[in-house]
Amino acid sequence: QVHLVESGGGVVQPGRSLRLSCVGSAFTFSNYGFNWVRQAPGKGLEWVTFISSDGSNKEYADSVKGRFSISRDNSNNTLYLQIKTLRTEDTAVYYCARASFRPYWGQGTLVTVSS
Amino acid sequence: DIQMTQSPSSLSASVGDRVTITCRASQSIGSWLAWYQQKPGKAPKLLVHRASILESGVPSRFSGSGSETEFTLTISSLQTEDFATYYCQHYNNKFTFGPGTRVEIK
Repeated sequence: QVHLVESGGGVVQPGRSLRLSCVGSAFTFSNYGFNWVRQAPGKGLEWVTFISSDGSNKEYADSVKGRFSISRDNSNNTLYLQIKTLRTEDTAVYYCARASFRPYWGQGTLVTVSS
Repeated sequence: DIQMTQSPSSLSASVGDRVTITCRASQSIGSWLAWYQQKPGKAPKLLVHRASILESGVPSRFSGSGSETEFTLTISSLQTEDFATYYCQHYNNKFTFGPGTRVEIK
């Protein structure tokens, strides 16, 4: 059964950096593109970024361009989201999700940006 | 970029009502459309993918239809556990979400 597990969230001060991870299992990780999606408290689902299966194509939402960086390590079945210069408005649950015929999501990791 | 809209943004309905939510894409997306249900504090739950394929374990009162630019999610007989927020999603590689439809108890 496809499984995605995010980690790396927590309480972080504004201006600091954070790296989120997402480990996939029970499928061939390198065959799929992935997305990060976030949801701020009481808000809707917001697409953040996408990476293609081989990592050659990356796209970002305008709201995070320049501060967020997506990457992947296919040898370790791991997806990353590097976040720089965190802002209070980055407070959200961050989900990784597989782009495929049927989308699969992790359960999310909470990032709280607060001093 | 493709934009997704949903209507209505919220609705009030009674148990047993038939409910229809519409999702429109700004350009043709074929059948790359999914529907999710989300309850407070929980992760989104996939109900339908490829516009009309019901996820295993989802009650048959839920159904999805449509293609290209117009899609619908129908709940044939609303149950208490169906009161939630529903999102449509275009998901061919990069994702795009609709703003959500909140289904409330009348």
